[in-house]
Amino acid sequence: GAGVSQSPRYKVAKRGQDVALRCDPISGHVSLFWYQQALGQGPEFLTYFQNEAQLDKSGLPSDRFFAERPEGSVSTLKIQRTQQEDSAVYLCASSPTGGTEAFFGQGTRLTVV
Amino acid sequence: DQQVKQNSPSLSVQEGRISILNCDYTNSMFDYFLWYKKYPAEGPTFLISISSIKDKNEDGRFTVFLNKSAKHLSLHIVPSQPGDSAVYFCAASSWGKLQFGAGTQVVVTP
Repeated sequence: GAGVSQSPRYKVAKRGQDVALRCDPISGHVSLFWYQQALGQGPEFLTYFQNEAQLDKSGLPSDRFFAERPEGSVSTLKIQRTQQEDSAVYLCASSPTGGTEAFFGQGTRLTVV
Repeated sequence: DQQVKQNSPSLSVQEGRISILNCDYTNSMFDYFLWYKKYPAEGPTFLISISSIKDKNEDGRFTVFLNKSAKHLSLHIVPSQPGDSAVYFCAASSWGKLQFGAGTQVVVTP
């Protein structure tokens, strides 16, 4: 497709449930980013891939969060044993190269009940 | 620690007038600065950017100014249009990682 695609758009999870969020970046984009956006705040960096290599995961809030991009294209953000504080919009972005403008998907709104 | 700050949560401006959005940063290692625009239920959309080696970049109605000594950048929109009503995020890049401010909600009134 023409843009970054994320699925699902909305996810409601019961506390303790595992979730997986998918990101399809723009074809050919080398860099892929995951961000978490809480209500009323700016996106917060979670992790960054260059091709299949995860170069920076310093923003992942706990070891319950795990991201992968095994073939350097589609990426999955997994959250294990979800907690209420995980409720947020999770944004994926891709870039032809790091450091220049990143193109964002529409995000996945996760609500943990 | 918040390395990118947008101290004005909201801005109201009359159609046709200039909108000025401000952003301050603390990390001198940032080498690229960007502005994004966001409508409700959509992801941020890239608007304009500036490299740290420049002090001004212009694209149509949008101009970004960078003052490195003050660690300050601003976005000017002139003239403002009703379709400009959105949340605007300032972002700064270091080693490919973007850090965002909290955003400024702009409302353009007729």
